[in-house]
Amino acid sequence: DIQMTQSPSSMSASLGDRVTITCQASQDIGNNLIWFQQKPGKSPRPMIYYATNLANGVPSRFSGSRSGSDYSLTISSLESEDMADYHCLQYKQYPNTFGAGTKLELK
Amino acid sequence: EVQLVESGGGLVQPGRSLKLSCAASGFTFSNYYMAWVRQAPKKGLEWVATISTSGSRTYYPDSVKGRFTISRDNAKSSLYLQMNSLKSEDTATYYCARPDWFAYWGQGTLVTVSS
Repeated sequence: DIQMTQSPSSMSASLGDRVTITCQASQDIGNNLIWFQQKPGKSPRPMIYYATNLANGVPSRFSGSRSGSDYSLTISSLESEDMADYHCLQYKQYPNTFGAGTKLELK
Repeated sequence: EVQLVESGGGLVQPGRSLKLSCAASGFTFSNYYMAWVRQAPKKGLEWVATISTSGSRTYYPDSVKGRFTISRDNAKSSLYLQMNSLKSEDTATYYCARPDWFAYWGQGTLVTVSS
């Protein structure tokens, strides 16, 4: 099975900060990765698909990138509405596997 | 508008069974693979099952293989998850999702396994 190692597990940041969350894949997944945002009591919302593509309606301050087996979600200038949990998912092969999640809080 | 509405959750004793349903609308259900994803309280997401358009192919992680069965009724635009031999660690909110980009999710249904 492909393991997705997500870091950090939690972080606090200030409004306007640049924030980066990373997932490392244990095997090659190509660009078959999705980043989700999840707010309390809500279903996950895809933010980035195919590792680098912005989903419909997602603000341009969000971006995705890849360096080898490392995948990153970056928020260029943090806003209060960005406080949420973030998850990565690889769908290259079954079993599909999620990272453990990152809780993003306001400092 | 795509809608996915889960139902069937509740409190169940360990070792018992439960069947979840997901009613789909707003798209041609028979054209899409469908999936179940769960989230234990205050934990991360876990993929549970995926089914092909016709239902002929199904996929599961080891954690539920042999205990859970995903199925679908394309005539009713409905997805199901039969859960047998339930364990306390199956306690979670179960989401129905469309796994093409996972762009569409239901609101979830809570399953609590406890005596």
